[in-house]
Amino acid sequence: EDQVTQSPEALRLQEGESSSLNCSYTVSGLRGLFWYRQDPGKGPEFLFTLYSAGEEKEKERLKATLTKKESFLHITAPKPEDSATYLCAVRANDYKLSFGAGTTVTVRA
Amino acid sequence: KAGVTQTPRYLIKTRGQQVTLSCSPISGHRSVSWYQQTPGQGLQFLFEYFSETQRNKGNFPGRFSGRQFSNSRSEMNVSTLELGDSALYLCASSLETADTGELFFGEGSRLTVL
Repeated sequence: EDQVTQSPEALRLQEGESSSLNCSYTVSGLRGLFWYRQDPGKGPEFLFTLYSAGEEKEKERLKATLTKKESFLHITAPKPEDSATYLCAVRANDYKLSFGAGTTVTVRA
Repeated sequence: KAGVTQTPRYLIKTRGQQVTLSCSPISGHRSVSWYQQTPGQGLQFLFEYFSETQRNKGNFPGRFSGRQFSNSRSEMNVSTLELGDSALYLCASSLETADTGELFFGEGSRLTVL
């Protein structure tokens, strides 16, 4: 069965304090790994897609990387508006999308 | 352009009742998928429709069903509601089968079962 595990569950950062979120996965044939951001009371918002080991994607203060077993979401010099729950998801060969439980990031000014 | 619209946003039902939730995808999007989100289980895949055909189904009992209409609008139905069905139900749309993972989510329908 496909498994997606995110760590830590929660992360409290000071504004400007860079950090990384981890997403480890076990999947039968990876068709893609995706990162989403979810704000309270809202649906998830798509951030990145990664397809193969070694791939990297960047968007503003966020950078996602992928290895054969895990992905990292690096947050560089975060601001309070980066506070959200970050979700990782994988799509396997059966096209089903499996989500991790998420990492809730709080950035204090 | 308009985003994914889900109705109703909030609803309260009692055990044993049934409920129908509606999702209008972004114009031009042909794929619609449904997810259940709870604090304990996180986001779990229910099913995906593409051009009125169910392409994939998650591990939920038969009480959960869905359909997609020719205009890509989708509905999901839960019959014989149980307390554990209380959750945020999210709908997402995409252009095709979303290999890119670029799903556009609605704000969800929050169901409370008493």
